[in-house]
Parts: sequence; structure tokens; C-alpha cells
Amino acid sequence: NAGVTQTPKFQVLKTGQSMTLQCAQDMNHNSMYWYRQDPGMGLRLIYYSASEGTTDKGEVPNGYNVSRLNKREFSLRLESAAPSQTSVYFCASSDGTFLGDTQYFGPGTRLTVL
Amino acid sequence: AQSVAQPEDQVNVAEGNPLTVKCTYSVSGNPYLFWYVQYPNRGLQFLLKYITGDNLVKGSYGFEAEFNKSQTSFHLKKPSALVSDSALYFCAVRARGSQGNLIFGKGTKLSVKP
Repeated sequence: NAGVTQTPKFQVLKTGQSMTLQCAQDMNHNSMYWYRQDPGMGLRLIYYSASEGTTDKGEVPNGYNVSRLNKREFSLRLESAAPSQTSVYFCASSDGTFLGDTQYFGPGTRLTVL
Repeated sequence: AQSVAQPEDQVNVAEGNPLTVKCTYSVSGNPYLFWYVQYPNRGLQFLLKYITGDNLVKGSYGFEAEFNKSQTSFHLKKPSALVSDSALYFCAVRARGSQGNLIFGKGTKLSVKP
């Protein structure tokens, strides 16, 4: 039982390049989330998927797209990377049956955009 | 709008002494409250949460937190700190009965010295 896994762990991009961050969970959770973590700013929600087949914008969605591929997988795509997207990206999942359920986090992807 | 404040960027404690990491929140109605811990270069790990009932919540690794509705606070405590408790701690809040997302504080770095 691996929980939430993310690939890659590290990535360096040049401005304008694109990439997809992958996330998978093996807890049969309904809801999945993408956050970014910047120093001194805590975690901010980029996009989330309340259930398979649905996605919604979070607090900072600009410059990103997501795909809920199936119940297990939720990917985050940067179409044209910018230096402002240099950050650590975390995927999380939760049961999604009520608002107080616990979110479980992956180990993160450290992205640098030059 | 929901918000969370962690008024201290850093808390320094001697090993064996009690520790407190402060958190105050602002939501409409009653909240769900969470504490997470992040060790260096790792994802967030769930410590404990308040859903309803007893205001004193016990969690992992000997941590506990007290929900105080009148002061809108949810401070994290531990009777005797360990050097291994040194990490970044995040408080998070979600309002009941809303579709609002989990909002994180900016984090408090806990440093426990031998």
C-alpha cells in the first residue's frame, strides 16, 4: 500500500517548455487535489477533482490544466512553464464523503523553471 | 472567507519542555480543523483533526490540540518535546456545510534543541 505517489521527484524546465506531473493513489479515494507550496505561503490549491469525471479550479489555477484519468490517477499539466511556477507540487487524496475527511499527501515534485 | 493564521514563523523549545504551536482561524459557522507536519524534503503527514465532540483532540506522536470556539483557536501541544519533533507544522481549516476547500496556514517551523 503505497498511498499517494508522484512522479517525477525533481524536474528542471526552461521557460516555455511543457510537462505533466503524475499522481496516483491506491486508497480507493474519490477526491484528489493538486497544491503548490512556496516559502512562507503555506499550501495553495491549484485544482481538485471531487470525484472521477469532475475537476474544479482552486485558488491558483492560472497556467495549469488537470486530467482525472481514472479513479486512481490525477495529472497536472503545465503547457508553457514560467519562472513563477517554480515551486514544490503536492498531490493529495481523500475519501471525499464529507468535508471533514483527511487529505493524504504524496512526497512532492520539486520543479524549477529557468 | 476562510482564513488561518499561524502567528509564529518559528518556535524554539528545549528537549523535554512542553511545546505549543499556535493557530487561529476565521470561518463562517463551525469549522473542521487539522494539523499536519512536514519533515524536510517530505510530503505533509496528518497529525490530528477536530470534527466534533471533545474539544481536546489527541493525535499521532503524542501531540494534542485544543479547540477553543470563543477564541477561534486550535493550538497544537505536546507535554515533552523531542529533537525529532523538529519540523514544519501546518494548521488547516475547512468550513462545515460549504463547498470551500481546505485552507492552510503559512506554517510554523519548530526547532527542538537538545
